[in-house]
Amino acid sequence: NAGVTQTPKFRVLKTGQSMTLLCAQDMNHEYMYWYRQDPGMGLRLIHYSVGEGTTAKGEVPDGYNVSRLKKQNFLLGLESAAPSQTSVYFCASRNPRSNTEAFFGQGTRLTVV
Amino acid sequence: AQSVTQLGSHVSVSEGALVLLRCNYSSSVPPYLFWYVQYPNQGLQLLLKYTSAATLVKGINGFEAEFKKSETSFHLTKPSAHMSDAAEYFCAVTRSYNTDKLIFGTGTRLQVFP
Repeated sequence: NAGVTQTPKFRVLKTGQSMTLLCAQDMNHEYMYWYRQDPGMGLRLIHYSVGEGTTAKGEVPDGYNVSRLKKQNFLLGLESAAPSQTSVYFCASRNPRSNTEAFFGQGTRLTVV
Repeated sequence: AQSVTQLGSHVSVSEGALVLLRCNYSSSVPPYLFWYVQYPNQGLQLLLKYTSAATLVKGINGFEAEFKKSETSFHLTKPSAHMSDAAEYFCAVTRSYNTDKLIFGTGTRLQVFP
């Protein structure tokens, strides 16, 4: 049982480049989330989705876009990367009806130079 | 809107001492509350959760937390710290219905000294 899988695990980007982070879950969860983790700031919610084809903004959505074309996948895109987007990104999923807690991936460490 | 405040970004204890990590929440409706632990270079794993059943919740690795509505608190405790408890701990909140957003605190790093 893989749970929540994030790819890639590490990436270095140049300012202005674009990339997509992929999150895949095999638990048939309705809700999926993207967070960023920065020292002293905890986890901040970027975007989230409550079902296939739906997305919503979190606390810090600027500079990011997301898509949920399939229930099991949640993609986070950076159209034009900036050094301020250097962070560790975590994906999570949950099913609020059967279990209320979120299950996390192992994270993607992104550096923008 | 819901939020959590974790008092103390760093807590240091001696091995065998009591661990107390503080979390206060704000929510316009009855909350669900969670404590997660993060070991270095890893994702987050659930320690325990409160979902409106018993107010004293027991979790893994000997941790427990008590939901106190009058104090809007959900502090995490462990009677006797172990070296392996050194990690970062996060408190999180969501609403007990329309549970879309899951909001985290800023985290508390626990150090355990021999």
